[in-house]
Amino acid sequence: GAGVSQTPSNKVTEKGKYVELRCDPISGHTALYWYRQSLGQGPEFLIYFQGTGAADDSGLPNDRFFAVRPEGSVSTLKIQRTERGDSAVYLCASSLNPGAYNEQFFGPGTRLTVL
Amino acid sequence: ILNVEQSPQSLHVQEGDSTNFTCSFPSSNFYALHWYRWETAKSPEALFVMTLNGDEKKKGRISATLNTKEGYSYLYIKGSQPEDSATYLCAFYNQGGKLIFGQGTELSVKP
Repeated sequence: GAGVSQTPSNKVTEKGKYVELRCDPISGHTALYWYRQSLGQGPEFLIYFQGTGAADDSGLPNDRFFAVRPEGSVSTLKIQRTERGDSAVYLCASSLNPGAYNEQFFGPGTRLTVL
Repeated sequence: ILNVEQSPQSLHVQEGDSTNFTCSFPSSNFYALHWYRWETAKSPEALFVMTLNGDEKKKGRISATLNTKEGYSYLYIKGSQPEDSATYLCAFYNQGGKLIFGQGTELSVKP
């Protein structure tokens, strides 16, 4: 079956612009996660959705970052007034249910470059 | 602050060598330890979800052990093959319900 997909695969933008990154989770997965991976680091948690609601957004670095999941399926991560430090690979993952024992299925990531 | 440390950061081995790497994590409030493999240009893929002290899990030539009391897990690869080349990530599932990742071990297997 289809895995987690993310679009675009690459995004190059200029400092100060607005970007949207999209994630299509595996059908039926209730939990959806966003991570950010900077060079030389492991993925860093940003936000987690259970259904339509953000269950934990404590990893969002500041108020320029926002994410939605309006129908409990597709999610969009939105970054306003991009800065060069936002350059990273943004990963999305989904799991059937939330919880420690459920593996997360990852998408291939969106590589964001802010010039 | 929860720290998950992986060592070594990178490893270069010859085809046929066996190898292992370490993941260290906080020994308190343990829920689960996840291992993922991330090949270049692909999605990270789950290898193991480990939950009990003393757990040993195996998938083909790859196996992992877990010691929650001292806060470490080992990943072993027997008879490394070039297709094993990838970054191996461990992640600690904490009380707050998040996966905290280590920085990864980058494995390169030369034919």
